[in-house]
Amino acid sequence: ETGVTQTPRHLVMGMTNKKSLKCEQHLGHNAMYWYKQSAKKPLELMFVYSLEERVENNSVPSRFSPECPNSSHLFLHLHTLQPEDSALYLCASSQDSRGGPLHFGNGTRLTVT
Amino acid sequence: QKEVEQDPGPLSVPEGAIVSLNCTYSNSAFQYFMWYRQYSRKGPELLMYTYSSGNKEDGRFTAQVDKSSKYISLFIRDSQPSDSATYLCAMRANNLFFGTGTRLTVIP
Repeated sequence: ETGVTQTPRHLVMGMTNKKSLKCEQHLGHNAMYWYKQSAKKPLELMFVYSLEERVENNSVPSRFSPECPNSSHLFLHLHTLQPEDSALYLCASSQDSRGGPLHFGNGTRLTVT
Repeated sequence: QKEVEQDPGPLSVPEGAIVSLNCTYSNSAFQYFMWYRQYSRKGPELLMYTYSSGNKEDGRFTAQVDKSSKYISLFIRDSQPSDSATYLCAMRANNLFFGTGTRLTVIP
């Protein structure tokens, strides 16, 4: 298997639920990212990990909690979300965090009810 | 002022037309420029990656960067219905900034 794989593809959760999004990259990259994509807005960077250390956290609410156990895996733990958190959540990887293009997964479509 | 401006469209063209997609930017420090294609219910797919000014061609696609005007373009020749997608420009100095995307429909 190649590229960046995200699971699940779709997720519906209530505001009191706890769920996790998973991302795995098979490209041998050292940096991984979480982005939020909402309609008619540019991609919003949430978190960046480089060699398993978080290097950027863009003022994301604490109800989103990332985890990077190794350079191939990235998780986004979700709890007590709000309806405005409904969006497409994209994982990406790149060779390193300072340059080069990003390679994206197909995203998790999250709906918060 | 936004870092990157991109006309959201939508843009509809007949099959075989030449398509021009554009982005403007404000930060003269941007050095790396990318175009991504995103099909419905899929993630963005890297189409073109260029460094600094000039042209880069890949099949029917040509990416053009004009740093003096802070303007980048993606040209699609002989457009096909399979080119129907949203096209995102992106650029970086240290951080990466995306445009909002242009939705393109190629009509058979």
